[in-house]
Amino acid sequence: DTGVSQNPRHKITKRGQNVTFRCDPISEHNRLYWYRQTLGQGPEFLTYFQNEAQLEKSRLLSDRFSAERPKGSFSTLEIQRTEQGDSAMYLCASSLGDYSNSPLHFGNGTRLTVT
Amino acid sequence: SQQGEEDPQALSIQEGENATMNCSYKTSINNLQWYRQNSGRGLVHLILIRSNEREKHSGRLRVTLDTSKKSSSLLITASRAADTASYFCATAQGGSEKLVFGKGTKLTVNP
Repeated sequence: DTGVSQNPRHKITKRGQNVTFRCDPISEHNRLYWYRQTLGQGPEFLTYFQNEAQLEKSRLLSDRFSAERPKGSFSTLEIQRTEQGDSAMYLCASSLGDYSNSPLHFGNGTRLTVT
Repeated sequence: SQQGEEDPQALSIQEGENATMNCSYKTSINNLQWYRQNSGRGLVHLILIRSNEREKHSGRLRVTLDTSKKSSSLLITASRAADTASYFCATAQGGSEKLVFGKGTKLTVNP
């Protein structure tokens, strides 16, 4: 069990640029979640996948955000035309099975700063 | 929107003391989970308690759940400096598969 891996750890970008983050879940985990966390707040749900299917998206996920999980393995989260309000920690988590039986395993996040 | 709300927002204690954090939620749940987050890191799962359970223990952790009051508490006994972290409760409503986290309690254990 190598844990959930997120890359990059830090990303600084200028407003208006596009950014892409990658998450590699624990290999046998079929569920993958993306959360966003700002300073002093708890993680906010963005979206989740079961295998390659994106099953739920938050209203927070505007049309500038898109997430994919091709082949049900790693996932990418892309933010287009970044805004300063997008500055946050983006957390990825994976689990085997649904939340009622299996806890989420989190990566250490990608911290995005939009200048 | 956040389902769970932790109380207090911040707690500072001396090593060896017990720490109690509370969580209140709004709707019926299937289970409630507690997570810990060290500064700048991801969250680590601590314990899961199902809606038909009233109390659960794991090492120095004790969690209670009162579904009639829609509340849960996390007790850390004999705290250590290494317990310094933020603690979050998380719940999921009904058939939703998304876990919703509260704002957390920031615990500082002074050596």
